[in-house]
Amino acid sequence: SQTIHQWPATLVQPVGSPLSLECTVEGTSNPNLYWYRQAAGRGLQLLFYSVGIGQISSEVPQNLSASRPQDRQFILSSKKLLLSDSGFYLCAWSSGNNSPLHFGNGTRLTVT
Amino acid sequence: AQSVTQLDSQVPVFEEAPVELRCNYSSSVSVYLFWYVQYPNQGLQLLLKYLSGSTLVESINGFEAEFNKSQTSFHLRKPSVHISDTAEYFCAVSGLSGSARQLTFGSGTQLTVLP
Repeated sequence: SQTIHQWPATLVQPVGSPLSLECTVEGTSNPNLYWYRQAAGRGLQLLFYSVGIGQISSEVPQNLSASRPQDRQFILSSKKLLLSDSGFYLCAWSSGNNSPLHFGNGTRLTVT
Repeated sequence: AQSVTQLDSQVPVFEEAPVELRCNYSSSVSVYLFWYVQYPNQGLQLLLKYLSGSTLVESINGFEAEFNKSQTSFHLRKPSVHISDTAEYFCAVSGLSGSARQLTFGSGTQLTVLP
């Protein structure tokens, strides 16, 4: 069966520090991968999606970047965190159009 | 462009009572509709979806939602809730391409079931 792993579960980082959140998927090949941010009282905002290795599309301008070095690995990064980067970050995968999204358990990032 | 409105941010209800979580959407094209559930400190899980066919769709744990095109609504209902239904519920809409890139989420409704 397919599983998705996301870590760390929680992270507290100072302003200006770098960030690296990792997400891996097991049990499937060539998944579509997504990074979402969930702010309190708001819905999910799609940040990045990827349909293949090295193929990244950014949905909103921001302080973050994403990379997909391997088929089932998706990384969310920042060189210098801002206070506004605090939030709950969710990785997800799907097998294609009309397929449901499968989410990881999320990372709660607090920038201090 | 499409949008989703969940009118209630918080819904407290007693155990075994019925519940309705409201969802309205706007879109200039035909849509697919979804409800996702998020338990504390977890990711979202698909609860049910409407793609085509019968306008009433059901989940395995007793929830149902009805697509009402004229009212542009997709309200979620359960006739008798359990403590374990306490979670945040998100309504979402996508275009007919089915691409998750086009998936727009509502702001969520926190359902709290009280003993």
